[in-house]
Amino acid sequence: DVKVTQSSRYLVKRTGEKVFLECVQDMDHENMFWYRQDPGLGLRLIYFSYDVKMKEKGDIPEGYSVSREKKERFSLILESASTNQTSMYLCASSPPGTDYEQYFGPGTRLTVT
Amino acid sequence: EDQVTQSPEALRLQEGESSSLNCSYTVSGLRGLFWYRQDPGKGPEFLFTLYSAGEEKEKERLKATLTKKESFLHITAPKPEDSATYLCAVQGGTSYGKLTFGQGTILTVHP
Repeated sequence: DVKVTQSSRYLVKRTGEKVFLECVQDMDHENMFWYRQDPGLGLRLIYFSYDVKMKEKGDIPEGYSVSREKKERFSLILESASTNQTSMYLCASSPPGTDYEQYFGPGTRLTVT
Repeated sequence: EDQVTQSPEALRLQEGESSSLNCSYTVSGLRGLFWYRQDPGKGPEFLFTLYSAGEEKEKERLKATLTKKESFLHITAPKPEDSATYLCAVQGGTSYGKLTFGQGTILTVHP
């Protein structure tokens, strides 16, 4: 069965802290994605990766970076957290190329105070 | 730029009252249109993929259809457990499988 896990369900951080969100998939998928979801704005793509050590900017990459050292793991990094980064963060994975659905993790609700 | 618009934003139904959700899209070279269900506080759960106009997919009380400009998610005789947010997304001709999502329709089914 398809499985995408995220390191935390809920996280509270202070402004200026460095924050790491981790995502692991067990489906041997090449593609992995990070989204944020906000009321009224829907899901917005932050970064994605189509291979180990490869990354591409999505629609809203500012203030974020990513790391993919292993195929199964994709990390989202907030270098200096700000209150406007309070959001639900969702990780997803899919097989290589196009035409395939993405499978999502349960999400991390991040609050920055 | 790919765009997806879903309507209505919210839909309230009585149990057993059938209806449809709409997803209008503009995309350069549609590779696939995807429907997801999302329960509060959880990640989206994949429902269907449609690839070409005229295609239909069914799962229990849900049926998804596709034309060249829009997709419909028909819900037949809904039950309270069908209450959720339904998301539509498109994958265009760009590489790497990026999806563009609509804002979703919040469905509430009252007993």
